[in-house]
Amino acid sequence: DVKVTQSSRYLVKRTGEKVFLECVQDMDHENMFWYRQDPGLGLRLIYFSYDVKMKEKGDIPEGYSVSREKKERFSLILESASTNQTSMYLCASSSYWDRDYEQYFGPGTRLTVT
Amino acid sequence: AQSVTQPDIHITVSEGASLELRCNYSYGATPYLFWYVQSPGQGLQLLLKYFSGDTLVQGIKGFEAEFKRSQSSFNLRKPSVHWSDAAEYFCAVGAGSGGSNYKLTFGKGTLLTVNP
Repeated sequence: DVKVTQSSRYLVKRTGEKVFLECVQDMDHENMFWYRQDPGLGLRLIYFSYDVKMKEKGDIPEGYSVSREKKERFSLILESASTNQTSMYLCASSSYWDRDYEQYFGPGTRLTVT
Repeated sequence: AQSVTQPDIHITVSEGASLELRCNYSYGATPYLFWYVQSPGQGLQLLLKYFSGDTLVQGIKGFEAEFKRSQSSFNLRKPSVHWSDAAEYFCAVGAGSGGSNYKLTFGKGTLLTVNP
């Protein structure tokens, strides 16, 4: 079974803090994704990565950055957290070789910025 | 660019009743289509997917979906709903030229409530 894990299920941070959200997958997938999920807005893509050290902006990259130093790990960074970044963050991965776009999701991190 | 519309934000059904969740997509070629389910506080789990072949797709938990190209639809169905089906359901479309472009576009979701 593909397993995608996220470092925290719940996180509370203060405005202005630097926040790291970690995601690890164990299936040697090339593609990894970060989404945020808000009520009524569905899933919105923040960033994705298709290889180590490679990244591309998604639909809402403002206020976020990412890091992928190893194939299995994809980190989302909030350089200076703001209250409007309070949300559920979902990480996903997929295989380049499957070529069918199926993504496997982690359990999510619910981030609250106060 | 591709897009997905789930017209129903919230649906309530009685346990044992049939269910149909609607999904319409916009994409010029044959899309890859998915239904995911999210239980409260959890990540997304794949129910089923379509990318070629038989337009009626069977998934897990007794769900099925039918791809109708003429209507640009991929509706999810279940003949008899169980209380444990209460969750949020997301339709998604994958499209693009491959390579680094294996992204999914998600609908905004349909929340399903099941009454006893």
